[in-house]
Amino acid sequence: AQSVTQPDIHITVSEGASLELRCNYSYGATPYLFWYVQSPGQGLQLLLKYFSGDTLVQGIKGFEAEFKRSQSSFNLRKPSVHWSDAAEYFCAVAAGGNQFYFGTGTSLTVIP
Amino acid sequence: SAVISQKPSRDICQRGTSLTIQCQVDSQVTMMFWYRQQPGQSLTLIATANQGSEATYESGFVIDKFPISRPNLTFSTLTVSNMSPEDSSIYLCSAKTSGGVDTQYFGPGTRLTVL
Repeated sequence: AQSVTQPDIHITVSEGASLELRCNYSYGATPYLFWYVQSPGQGLQLLLKYFSGDTLVQGIKGFEAEFKRSQSSFNLRKPSVHWSDAAEYFCAVAAGGNQFYFGTGTSLTVIP
Repeated sequence: SAVISQKPSRDICQRGTSLTIQCQVDSQVTMMFWYRQQPGQSLTLIATANQGSEATYESGFVIDKFPISRPNLTFSTLTVSNMSPEDSSIYLCSAKTSGGVDTQYFGPGTRLTVL
């Protein structure tokens, strides 16, 4: 069965520090992978997506993610975190057609 | 891409009443969906809103509780019927522009509190 695991429920980083949010998926075929961000009281905004090709994808707001098929991972990274990055981050896999499977989310706190 | 708006943005309702949430997309889209996000939880798909036919519901969700309409390619409504406090959640509308695997774009959500 398809599933997405985000092992870190909550992460705290200092402003200016680097960030890596982990995402592991379980899917038998070629995965289509997404990262979304949800700021407090807001809907979900697409950060980046991977469908095929280059396994390192660039997104908005300085984020990038790397698809590693051998590890079934799609980790999100940012070299220098800003206070405005504090939010909830969701990884998702599209299992063909319409069905999206979301992880449980990682809450990011940024301390000055 | 698609820009999605929802109304109302939030509401506080009494037990036993119903609330209809509207979702408007700025362009014609192939697929529209409704999700529920319970407090501190991830997103759960309620149903796919089909234009011109009955919505397709996921396991655990039924039409009597969550009737959905989609009269055209840019608009859909979700009604939460006979509400109880357990229905307190954020309800999100999403859409995608093609029938295959593609990005889903999300609305800002409707924050519902049932007393």
